[in-house]
Amino acid sequence: DAKTTQPNSMESNEEEPVHLPCNHSTISGTDYIHWYRQLPSQGPEYVIHGLTSNVNNRMASLAIAEDRKSSTLILHRATLRDAAVYYCVSLFTSGTYKYIFGTGTRLKVLA
Amino acid sequence: KAGVTQTPRYLIKTRGQQVTLSCSPISGHRSVSWYQQTPGQGLQFLFEYFSETQRNKGNFPGRFSGRQFSNSRSEMNVSTLELGDSALYLCASSLTTGTYEQYFGPGTRLTVT
Repeated sequence: DAKTTQPNSMESNEEEPVHLPCNHSTISGTDYIHWYRQLPSQGPEYVIHGLTSNVNNRMASLAIAEDRKSSTLILHRATLRDAAVYYCVSLFTSGTYKYIFGTGTRLKVLA
Repeated sequence: KAGVTQTPRYLIKTRGQQVTLSCSPISGHRSVSWYQQTPGQGLQFLFEYFSETQRNKGNFPGRFSGRQFSNSRSEMNVSTLELGDSALYLCASSLTTGTYEQYFGPGTRLTVT
């Protein structure tokens, strides 16, 4: 199963962009990359997902490297409500579908 | 639209007992997945049910089992509880099995003493 590696923690100033990196060097060609975030005392919340090309939605952007060995979640303007643990998740698709969660990056947003 | 609901929210059990957790998915969602979250191991996939059939399974012992009913509601059972089973158990639903985004419930906090 593909594994993902993320920094344990990051800090950002409010209103500034945040780039959260993820390494998934063992990912296969059909494994999707998903991002979820978890606020304190809540279940994870879906943020974005992609396979090969960059993706945008109202919450964030996902930039996937051309060799697919890494990706970056981009929050365009961090707010205090974005403080959470962000998980890079590989969706193992060989025969079955199985979510493999990374260890997560705790994002701290400074006012 | 109501979100994913899990009952109970908190549970305390004794080692050796068994426990059943319940999950009601978002209306119209047919896939339900279960996860275990602990400080040491993080979020780990347990299994997924779709159309009342277990479709995928993580690396957990046979003490962990589940089922899904015709209305897509799901239950998870853990038999012969061990201290290490203390965790937050999360349920997630999605429209169907595959690459679709999952919607998580608030979880059931299980403490084994």
